[in-house]
Amino acid sequence: SYELAQPPSVSVSPGQTASITCSGDKLGDKYVCWYQQKPGQSPVLVIHQDTKRPSGIPERFSGSNSGNTATLTISGTQTMDEADYYCQAWDSSVVFGGGTKLTVL
Amino acid sequence: QVQLVESGGGVVQPGRSLRLSCAASGFTFSDFGMHWVRQAPGKGLEWVAVISYDGSKKYYVDSVKGRFTISRDNSKNTLYLQMNSLRGEDTAVYYCAKDDRASAFDIWGQGTMVTVSS
Repeated sequence: SYELAQPPSVSVSPGQTASITCSGDKLGDKYVCWYQQKPGQSPVLVIHQDTKRPSGIPERFSGSNSGNTATLTISGTQTMDEADYYCQAWDSSVVFGGGTKLTVL
Repeated sequence: QVQLVESGGGVVQPGRSLRLSCAASGFTFSDFGMHWVRQAPGKGLEWVAVISYDGSKKYYVDSVKGRFTISRDNSKNTLYLQMNSLRGEDTAVYYCAKDDRASAFDIWGQGTMVTVSS
């Protein structure tokens, strides 16, 4: 079965750039999206179709996808961005990455 | 506004059944595929099932095939998940989510907790 690999944790200082990776075989051939989940809350879509931001998502969130790796980039990271982030793609079915805990300190 | 509201969770013994519901509002429910996604305590997201906009196509994760059934009633704007032969490993928060027709889930419900325990 298809798998997506994410680093368990990423740390970043406020105002700096955070990059969260998602790896999978020929992932660049698939659409990838990203979800943000804060403790006790439902996931929120922050990037879809590799690079697109839904309405209401700040411009500091961006995405890319090429080769075997997709990346979520948060520029000028704020403390409110501290959350778990999940990548997701479709293979024969829906696949989620294991999630990355972003710590802003 | 666009909203999904799940209900039906609770504590159930292993081997028993439970039916979850997801009431949709604020969009044309019958135009979109719908999913169930679950999250075990302290764990990541796991996709469970999808149903097409008209209910004609249904797909499941291997671990629930033959035990769970996804369905929908477009006249009631409601999505369902019938869960039979429940196991401890089915313990999770269950979310319903709207498919945006472009491989992403753009709207999520608040989730309903299912605990399978004797």
